[in-house]
Amino acid sequence: GNSVTQMEGPVTLSEEAFLTINCTYTATGYPSLFWYVQYPGEGLQLLLKATKADDKGSNKGFEATYRKETTSFHLEKGSVQVSDSAVYFCASGGSYIPTFGRGTSLIVHP
Amino acid sequence: DGGITQSPKYLFRKEGQNVTLSCEQNLNHDAMYWYRQDPGQGLRLIYYSQIVNDFQKGDIAEGYSVSREKKESFPLTVTSAQKNPTAFYLCASSREAGAVEAFFGQGTRLTVV
Repeated sequence: GNSVTQMEGPVTLSEEAFLTINCTYTATGYPSLFWYVQYPGEGLQLLLKATKADDKGSNKGFEATYRKETTSFHLEKGSVQVSDSAVYFCASGGSYIPTFGRGTSLIVHP
Repeated sequence: DGGITQSPKYLFRKEGQNVTLSCEQNLNHDAMYWYRQDPGQGLRLIYYSQIVNDFQKGDIAEGYSVSREKKESFPLTVTSAQKNPTAFYLCASSREAGAVEAFFGQGTRLTVV
């Protein structure tokens, strides 16, 4: 079945630093790929998505590119803010259920 | 506004009692899911339903039960057989099973007292 692996956290950065959170997937075929964000005590919100190879998803300064060759969908942001502190989940669309990574906690200090 | 609503936000249960968590969506989605999240952990799938009147066990279904009698509703019952029920429970829905993005509720935090 499908699986998603993302880097373990926490990732701790200073404000305005560059962010990368790595995500790789295994799947049959070419599933849609997603990044979700979870703020403390809340549910997950879709941050961005890509539906086919070489697509770039972007939202709120975050970007991720669907790389078929490396089966990756790494999340990047050029300049993080304190308000970006949250848990980030990479996910792939599956045949019947979406498959989530374990989540990566991001802590941004002023 | 369309969305997915979980209630209550906080729930306390005495040991040995069953408790039901509500999940309602008005997005006209076919698929619905229940996940459990423990501190510092990822999401673990409890049950999912691809269509009304049908549901399947996920990875950790023991001690839980669900029903899907209406398209918009997918309640989860945490039974007394669940040995460690204290957790954050998340309900989600998607237009179709698996392939597209999921929409999540705000979660229910269940505490056994």
